[in-house]
Amino acid sequence: GESVGLHLPTLSVQEGDNSIINCAYSNSASDYFIWYKQESGKGPQFIIDIRSNMDKRQGQRVTVLLNKTVKHLSLQIAATQPGDSAVYFCAENGGNQGGKLIFGQGTELSVKP
Amino acid sequence: EADIYQTPRYLVIGTGKKITLECSQTMGHDKMYWYQQDPGMELHLIHYSYGVNSTEKGDLSSESTVSRIRTEHFPLTLESARPSHTSQYLCASSEWRQGEDTQYFGPGTRLTVL
Repeated sequence: GESVGLHLPTLSVQEGDNSIINCAYSNSASDYFIWYKQESGKGPQFIIDIRSNMDKRQGQRVTVLLNKTVKHLSLQIAATQPGDSAVYFCAENGGNQGGKLIFGQGTELSVKP
Repeated sequence: EADIYQTPRYLVIGTGKKITLECSQTMGHDKMYWYQQDPGMELHLIHYSYGVNSTEKGDLSSESTVSRIRTEHFPLTLESARPSHTSQYLCASSEWRQGEDTQYFGPGTRLTVL
């Protein structure tokens, strides 16, 4: 079936280092992807999105890369800060299913001071 | 981003009780969603709505029901709560962005059924 999965369930980085969180998706029809950040006890927070007609999109300290050939998505966080500690989810639209999204397992990012 | 409100934030109740989880958004979004999430795990869609008087079941079977009488309000009801319903319930609404529906989430309701 359709799935969106993350390669690493946990990631620990030193404050100030760059972080890379990876995501694999299986539905080649997906043409829209979103990264969410979820802090403990809160709902997911939109970080950045990308359409399939792009390979890269940058935001404030974050960059999303899309490799459609291998169906891989990554989130890069520059100069990681303690406030970045959270669980990160990628989501795909499954080829436009009327607004529904397919979520992956999530990666927990831990930032050491 | 959307302003999504959920109440209560935390709820502890006994088995057999009827409960309603409230979700409201102030942005006039047509599409709204309910997800169930166990701690640290992925989100599972249990209900969604494309507008007033429209409700559909999601990918994960749920004993809950929803209604959509007003655009801004999408409550979820459990007629008889059981310990297996213990989970976090997240509400979302979506706006049209870059030619796609982008979902924004509320803070969630942490439900514990004893």
